[in-house]
Amino acid sequence: DAGVIQSPRHEVTEMGQEVTLRCKPISGHNSLFWYRQTMMRGLELLIYFNNNVPIDDSGMPEDRFSAKMPNASFSTLKIQPSEPRDSAVYFCASSLGQFQTQYFGPGTRLLVL
Amino acid sequence: GDSVTQMEGPVTLSEEAFLTINCTYTATGYPSLFWYVQYPGEGLQLLLKATKADDKGSNKGFEATYRKETTSFHLEKGSVQVSDSAVYFCALSDQNQGGKLIFGQGTELSVKP
Repeated sequence: DAGVIQSPRHEVTEMGQEVTLRCKPISGHNSLFWYRQTMMRGLELLIYFNNNVPIDDSGMPEDRFSAKMPNASFSTLKIQPSEPRDSAVYFCASSLGQFQTQYFGPGTRLLVL
Repeated sequence: GDSVTQMEGPVTLSEEAFLTINCTYTATGYPSLFWYVQYPGEGLQLLLKATKADDKGSNKGFEATYRKETTSFHLEKGSVQVSDSAVYFCALSDQNQGGKLIFGQGTELSVKP
């Protein structure tokens, strides 16, 4: 079975541009999580969804960040406008349920110049 | 709030040496505990887990025991290989926190031939 799929794998953009990261969870998984990894802050949860509904977005840094899950097989994380401090690796993870083991995608490495 | 503390890296070992990476946690409830591994340029892979006190998780020669009395979940391997070189993350998932993963800062392991 395919694992969690993320696209793009790498993104380089200029400050002020809109960035959209995409995630396809494992088929049948009901929970989806977005994490960010930086040297300074390590791995931190941004937001998670259960059955396509956002449950906890307290980790979203600010209004420039938004996430959607229009259906069970697709989620987006959007940054508008992007800033250099948003440079990081963004991971998507999915699980069978909110309290089940999470499986991670390969990540999107974002560089904002 | 809940937190995870890992021993600082990098850890450098010779092939076939014994490995221990210390991990301690603080949680308000009864968390599940995990070790994830991240190989260079890749996403996080679940290495092993334990869901209750005294459980031992094991995989690929690695093992860790959930010690409630010492709030620890130390990772061990009897004989490391060069291919074990990676960053190892200890994490907890607490139902009181909605099941989200809280990660330690990661420990980089480098195994020399």
